Amino acid sequence: DAGITQSPRYKITETGRQVTLMCHQTWSHSYMFWYRQDLGHGLRLIYYSAAADITDKGEVPDGYVVSRSKTENFPLTLESATRSQTSVYFCASRNLLADSYNEQFFGPGTRLTVL
Amino acid sequence: AQTVTQSQPEMSVQEAETVTLSCTYDTSESDYYLFWYKQPPSRQMILVIRQEAYKQQNATENRFSVNFQKAAKSFSLKISDSQLGDAAMYFCAYRGGRGNEKLTFGTGTRLTIIP
Repeated sequence: DAGITQSPRYKITETGRQVTLMCHQTWSHSYMFWYRQDLGHGLRLIYYSAAADITDKGEVPDGYVVSRSKTENFPLTLESATRSQTSVYFCASRNLLADSYNEQFFGPGTRLTVL
Repeated sequence: AQTVTQSQPEMSVQEAETVTLSCTYDTSESDYYLFWYKQPPSRQMILVIRQEAYKQQNATENRFSVNFQKAAKSFSLKISDSQLGDAAMYFCAYRGGRGNEKLTFGTGTRLTIIP
């Protein structure tokens, strides 16, 4: 099905392990984003990408790494997971058109627990 | 940096009644966009309504409307004829003008519908 998907939907890992969260979109949208959602903070931007091979930091990038070798994929890696990274992670995408009114479309989220 | 404030962590309303959710923001920009997103228990982020700052007319989408007060930097959401399916977390979000793709979210308001 077309749209934006995230995998896995749920993940439990241990402190110090590397974890990669996957995001895939079928719309060929230019922009892709990673957010984390925590109680009391709403959604906060981790990283975003304007196109393949172009990424930039958001509000809370520390401890995360991203890459974007293909337009449709935007994986998020926690190189050494910490308990403070326990959160729900959302991927989003947006097309770049002359009309910058366009909304961001969100994936279903990944709940990550770091023990 | 832009900030978005939702001062009502929780709200409740009787079914079929009207409820207003508050949102204020801080920015020095003149060109920007404002959004309300709904997050039901499924966790999916759903765009409810959006407003361009240069438009004086308040946006309306069926039972959802906004009261956009640019000078006061206020962007409230009014839900008319509340339905059980409106129960969700509601997030107010801000995005700067062209070239600024980052969304800044408020901390959310949990809306409960009382049958």
